[in-house]
Amino acid sequence: QSALTQPASVSGSPGQSITISCTGTSSDVGGYNYVSWYQQHPGKAPKLMIYDVSNRPSGVSNRFSGSKSGNTASLTISGLQAEDEADYYCSSYTSSSTLRVFGTGTKVTVL
Amino acid sequence: QVQLQESGPGLVKPSETLSLTCAVSGYSISSGYYWGWIRQPPGKGLEWIGSIYHSGSTYYNPSLKSRVTISVDTSKNQFSLKLSSVTAADTAVYYCARALGRFTMVRGFDYWGQGTLVTVSS
Repeated sequence: QSALTQPASVSGSPGQSITISCTGTSSDVGGYNYVSWYQQHPGKAPKLMIYDVSNRPSGVSNRFSGSKSGNTASLTISGLQAEDEADYYCSSYTSSSTLRVFGTGTKVTVL
Repeated sequence: QVQLQESGPGLVKPSETLSLTCAVSGYSISSGYYWGWIRQPPGKGLEWIGSIYHSGSTYYNPSLKSRVTISVDTSKNQFSLKLSSVTAADTAVYYCARALGRFTMVRGFDYWGQGTLVTVSS
């Protein structure tokens, strides 16, 4: 089971919106609504930002939103802020024996 | 508030067994949920190692299954990871985490420990 594919980096200016893609297969992203997104600042543990494709945990800013189309999930950050600069990972349940797969990770830079 | 804390040796010799424990506070493991281990090699992405239910049922990543054992001690409210025959490729930050949703492990992880770096070197 290969990792889900994410762009290595995405950048934007403060106040702009950016979108991070996460491409898998029909065995994972495309087959189930169990995509989650994590934010990770340097030296810190990942933080759950989105679960079940588009749901936000309590306390997560509504500037973060998730969606899915076919085998690709997306995380959109609107009103980009300096504190959003971090690495972002998607993850999905997979029907393969691996059960859980993570994305390759995307570094978000706020210009 | 649920809190998780990893502990264990930060240095393990090649071919030996890596052993880590995750102490849980703010929630009783015996009440439910799946509990998992995830690792991250320096500068690289995340890899799911395996998960355990409070009853002791386990699920492992097939790529590590032959070397991994995850166990739970409800009396101490903690769960543990053992990874045998380690090599330099097992050098990573190891995180413990709680699965989202009380009866399933498919939805991701909502609470994470701070992580602990384990280096494999002689």
